[in-house]
Amino acid sequence: EVQLVDSGGGLVQPGGSLRLSCAASGFSFSSYWMSWVRQAPGKGLEWVANVNQDGSAKLYVESVKGRFTISRDNAKNSLFLQMNSLRAEDAAVYYCARLLDSSSSIYDYWGQGTLVTVST
Amino acid sequence: DIQMTQFPSTLSASVGDRVTITCRASQSISDWLAWYQQKPGKVPKLLIKRASSLESGIPSRFSGSGSGTEFTLTISSLQPDDFATYYCQHYNSYPITFGQGTRLEIK
Repeated sequence: EVQLVDSGGGLVQPGGSLRLSCAASGFSFSSYWMSWVRQAPGKGLEWVANVNQDGSAKLYVESVKGRFTISRDNAKNSLFLQMNSLRAEDAAVYYCARLLDSSSSIYDYWGQGTLVTVST
Repeated sequence: DIQMTQFPSTLSASVGDRVTITCRASQSISDWLAWYQQKPGKVPKLLIKRASSLESGIPSRFSGSGSGTEFTLTISSLQPDDFATYYCQHYNSYPITFGQGTRLEIK
């Protein structure tokens, strides 16, 4: 059974940093592109970043470029999102998600989400 | 960036009704469009890809159509389990963007 378990969220002050993790199981993690998608409370979905199978290709939404870094450790079946210089508008539930296939940036499996709160 | 606009934002309907949700892209995306269903406190569930291709396990009362800039999601006969929020998403190019969502509620 495919499982994605998100962790690492919490309360952080504006300008602070946080590292999110996603533990994957039940599939060949190293064969899939992976993604982070976020959802502000009561709002819609926003794509944040994608990473390819070996971590050599990374794509970001403009609003997080230079502040967030997506990475993966295929030996540990794990996906990460390092978030620096956090802003109030970054507050959201962050989901890791598996891309259906390498040619389609759509998501067939999602983690349960981890909540990031940015506030003083 | 390609903007995705859904309408209506909220739709009130009854069990058994046929409902249609529209999603409009700010430029042509061919058929690179997906639809998701999300229930409160749950993660999104992929319903349809390539505008009209139903995902495995999704009931046949769901259907999608369209190409270019105009797309629709139709539920032929609403069931109690279908009351949720629906999102369209294009994957024609980066950045990937979602519609703002359509909340389907019980009349």
